[in-house]
Amino acid sequence: AQRVTQPEKLLSVFKGAPVELKCNYSYSGSPELFWYVQYSRQRLQLLLRHISRESIKGFTADLNKGETSFHLKKPFAQEEDSAMYYCALSGTQGGSEKLVFGKGTKLTVNP
Amino acid sequence: NAGVTQTPKFQVLKTGQSMTLQCAQDMNHEYMSWYRQDPGMGLRLIHYSVGAGITDQGEVPNGYNVSRSTTEDFPLRLLSAAPSQTSVYFCASRTVGVGYTFGSGTRLTVV
Repeated sequence: AQRVTQPEKLLSVFKGAPVELKCNYSYSGSPELFWYVQYSRQRLQLLLRHISRESIKGFTADLNKGETSFHLKKPFAQEEDSAMYYCALSGTQGGSEKLVFGKGTKLTVNP
Repeated sequence: NAGVTQTPKFQVLKTGQSMTLQCAQDMNHEYMSWYRQDPGMGLRLIHYSVGAGITDQGEVPNGYNVSRSTTEDFPLRLLSAAPSQTSVYFCASRTVGVGYTFGSGTRLTVV
């Protein structure tokens, strides 16, 4: 079964501080991991895919298969980073692919 | 490209009424999914499809039906609405090699 755990419901940091949003997953095969961001009452937007190894808006995430983690990091948080962040895992089961989400972490960056 | 289009944006139903939430994408994506978003619960997968004519159940399928007669459309039907189905519903689609693209959501209230 696919499972994504985001242990922090809420995370509050000050502007300029480093931020790390934790994500752990459970999956028996080779997963595809994503981070999505949702600004207030808007649609979800793709932030990162582990395969592309990009840095978007200063965020990075590294897949650690040994620890089954895909933590999202940014060295210097900005106020505009305040949003809901969702970690998601795409896996194949019985020939069908599906995407499942963690419960999300609400990040607040204080001035 | 319009991306993923969901209609309506808002809907109020009475208990026991039926309705269909529409989802259409113009990117020729094979995979499409429906999620509901509730506070503290993240996004939960309702139904998903890996191509026209193929659908499968997600985590919370009860009370919902789907069909996928074309690649472009993936409607979600509520057969007999209940207050527990009050939620924000998101449709998403993807093809191999890219992340999921989300619609703007339908905010449904069942009274």
